[in-house]
Parts: sequence; C-alpha cells; structure tokens
Amino acid sequence: QQQVKQSPQSLIVQKGGISIINCAYENTAFDYFPWYQQFPGKGPALLIAIRPDVSEKKEGRFTISFNKSAKQFSLHIMDSQPGDSATYFCAASRDHDYKLSFGAGTTVTVRA
Amino acid sequence: DGGITQSPKYLFRKEGQNVTLSCEQNLNHDAMYWYRQDPGQGLRLIYYSQIVNDFQKGDIAEGYSVSREKKESFPLTVTSAQKNPTAFYLCASKAPTGTGPQYFGPGTRLTVT
Repeated sequence: QQQVKQSPQSLIVQKGGISIINCAYENTAFDYFPWYQQFPGKGPALLIAIRPDVSEKKEGRFTISFNKSAKQFSLHIMDSQPGDSATYFCAASRDHDYKLSFGAGTTVTVRA
Repeated sequence: DGGITQSPKYLFRKEGQNVTLSCEQNLNHDAMYWYRQDPGQGLRLIYYSQIVNDFQKGDIAEGYSVSREKKESFPLTVTSAQKNPTAFYLCASKAPTGTGPQYFGPGTRLTVT
C-alpha cells in the first residue's frame, strides 16, 4: 500500500499566487521528508527537505510545514512563477532505511 | 563535475529483445536505485543496491535484472519477460550516512514496439 498519500493530483494557480501541496503518512518511524521537483523529460531534483524536529523550513519561495501529531507535511510555493510549473513529489524515509516512499505526485501549472 | 549519468537518453527496441540501460555515478555513493515512471504516474522502485555485489528487489522487479560489480555502475536489463517495458527509467544514488536524499539521473526513455 502507498505509505505516503499526496494531494491534490494537479493544481492550477495564477502567477503570483500560492501553491499548496499536502502529504500524509502513517509510519511514525519516518524521520526524513524530502520534496522533489520534476520537469517533463527530466529526472527529479531535490527541492527542500525537513526532519520532524522542526515545524517549518523555508528556502526562498518554497516552504515546508510539518505537523508531527497529524502526520502531515505540506509544500507551499509562494509568489508562484511560470517556471515553477512542474510535477512535485513528496517522500519519506526512516533512519538508516535505504528506501524512500514517494507520494504519487502533483502537477502544478502556473498561468501567466 | 559530479553527478549521475544515464545513457542513452532515448532507446528504441523491438518486442522480444533484451535491452540494458546504463547508470554511472561519480558521487562515491554506496547505494543506487532504479525506478520506473509511467506517464502521469509516480515513481516505482525496481531494484536497489546498498553495496557492491549486493542488490534487492523493489516493488516491481519482475522482468528486470541488475548487476553491481562496481561502486560507480548499476546497469539495468529490461528482459523480454517484462510485459510493458515502454516507460521512463530513472537511476538514483544516495550517500551512505543515515537518512538523506536520493539524487536522480536525467533518465532514459525506453520505447518497445
């Protein structure tokens, strides 16, 4: 079964708007939560990652919010730009586990 | 210039032929992975290797085989037993220490007709 559930499947936002992608997990042993950005025909690239000892991490226009009690984390893209149009994947792993559990992906389209 | 290279970028084969996809990394990473991605789909793990001469099946290993004779290289063979081989194949690697990100290569798009 899918260990990380991601929503929505797709979203459209106007330039300058906020894109929000949500992920939920069940395994409380997960302790590392990366987000990847993938452009069509390219490999996913690490965007930002968080560990459960912090509730928020910001890098430029990208912010991860983490709610340990709810077992949820989300990606906010502030001031969305057309160049942010891509598919975003959340993922999770647990200490010393070599495998990542990926969400199904969210395709973000930013309209100019 | 460190990174992961996959070759070729596009590959075409006839049904019934085996084909091998190349993955090389110069990041000195111990762990390497192969994923399959279908249009509009997420990433599904085919095989992974934690160290040289050792590898484990992922979620969809049937019809695929791998080898890990060198730390830098993790080739994937798509055999004729794979029923739907046409897909985008991604290789990734990970540093050995604790949890951390996987870094992905640019991918190989395989088309079998």
